[in-house]
Parts: sequence; structure tokens; C-alpha cells
Amino acid sequence: EEQLVESGGGLVQPGGSLRLSCAASGFTLSNFGLSWVRQAPGKGLEWVAAISGSGGSTYFAAAVKGRFTISRDNSKNTVYMQLNSLRADDTAIYYCAKARPATGKAFDIWGQGTMVTVSS
Amino acid sequence: QAALTQPPSASGSPGQSVTISCTGTSSDVGGYKYVSWYQQHPGRAPKLMIYEVGVRPSGVPDRFSGSKSDNTASLTVSGLQAEDEADYYCASYAGNNNYVMFGGGTKLTVL
Repeated sequence: EEQLVESGGGLVQPGGSLRLSCAASGFTLSNFGLSWVRQAPGKGLEWVAAISGSGGSTYFAAAVKGRFTISRDNSKNTVYMQLNSLRADDTAIYYCAKARPATGKAFDIWGQGTMVTVSS
Repeated sequence: QAALTQPPSASGSPGQSVTISCTGTSSDVGGYKYVSWYQQHPGRAPKLMIYEVGVRPSGVPDRFSGSKSDNTASLTVSGLQAEDEADYYCASYAGNNNYVMFGGGTKLTVL
């Protein structure tokens, strides 16, 4: 079964950092792009960042550009997102989502999400 | 950049049809064929229901269909069933700068 599992969420103070992981099983993650999508409590979905299958291209939402980075270790079938300079409005469930093959513009497999809470 | 615009709520009785709209601009919905729709039940991860405007992934019932006209995309759910009650989000590719935009979401209630 194709599956994504996120980890690394938790409670962090404003200005702090976290590293989220997204581990794939049942398929080779390097063949696909991957995005992070977040959902603040009671709110809608917000695309955050994306990385190409090779890792050569990365994209970020304006709200996180310069604070978040995304990388991948294809040998571990895992994608990471480093969250720095965290703010209260970064509080959300963070989902990783696999891009469909070919065009890669839709997300066909989602993880269960990991909660990030930014609070003092 | 503002999210795509969806009605906050929609409803229908079992067996009826309901259509949810998703309005963007020529820089996203109107500019590309890459509109997708996601279903999210409470406490669950989103599920892809439609991609590339009107294509259903394997396993999605054919009661779900998608279309697009100019800057507005639509999701139609025919023959409503109780399990269709969920939040629905549209999304569109928006170029390399903005990449993907989501709509604000529509809560579908089956009466």
C-alpha cells in the first residue's frame, strides 16, 4: 500500500525551529514531486512548499519564503521541511502530499498530518 | 495572493445533485487545465476526487464530475449520498511563483 507518514511536529516557542519528516512506503518517492500543505485549526487548506522528484527545484508560498526550506533524501525515501523563525500563525496540521505523475499538479496520496503548535 | 473563491456552504437532499463553484483568475483557474478537487471528512486527511478539471482517479464514484469555464471551475455531485457530507476544496496550479492555490473550502451538507 502506498503511504506517507509525517513526523516531527510539536510545541515550539515563537522564533523557534522544527524539522518535519515525510516518509514514503510502498513506492519510490524520488519518482514524484511532493508538497507540504497545512491547515490551521478550523480553517482551510493552504499550500506551503513543494520539491521536485530530483530535488532540483523547490517552491514556497509567500507566507513562508525565507523561513522554511524543503529537501529530500531519496536514499531514505523521505522528504524534510525545516521550519525556522516560527510564528503563531504557523500553527497548523502539516500534511505532506505526493504529486500525481506526469504533470504533478494534483496530490493523490496524503499523509495523516503532524501538528505544529507555536506558542509561548 | 488571495485563495480561490468557493461558497462556504452547499446542501442537497439524498439523490439530488449539487454543484460547487470555484472562482479564480486568468493566472490560475483560467490559465491552466490543472484544477483539482479534494474531499475532507472531519479529522481526516484530504482525498483527491478530481484532477485536471474533470478526470476522476480510480475508485472515485462517477457521481463526482468536474468542469471549467473561463476563470470558474465547478464540482458536481450527483445522486447525493450521506457519505458525501464533507468539506470540499478546489485547487489550481498558478505558475511557478505561486505554484498551487486552494479555495477556501465548501461544507457540503446532505439534508
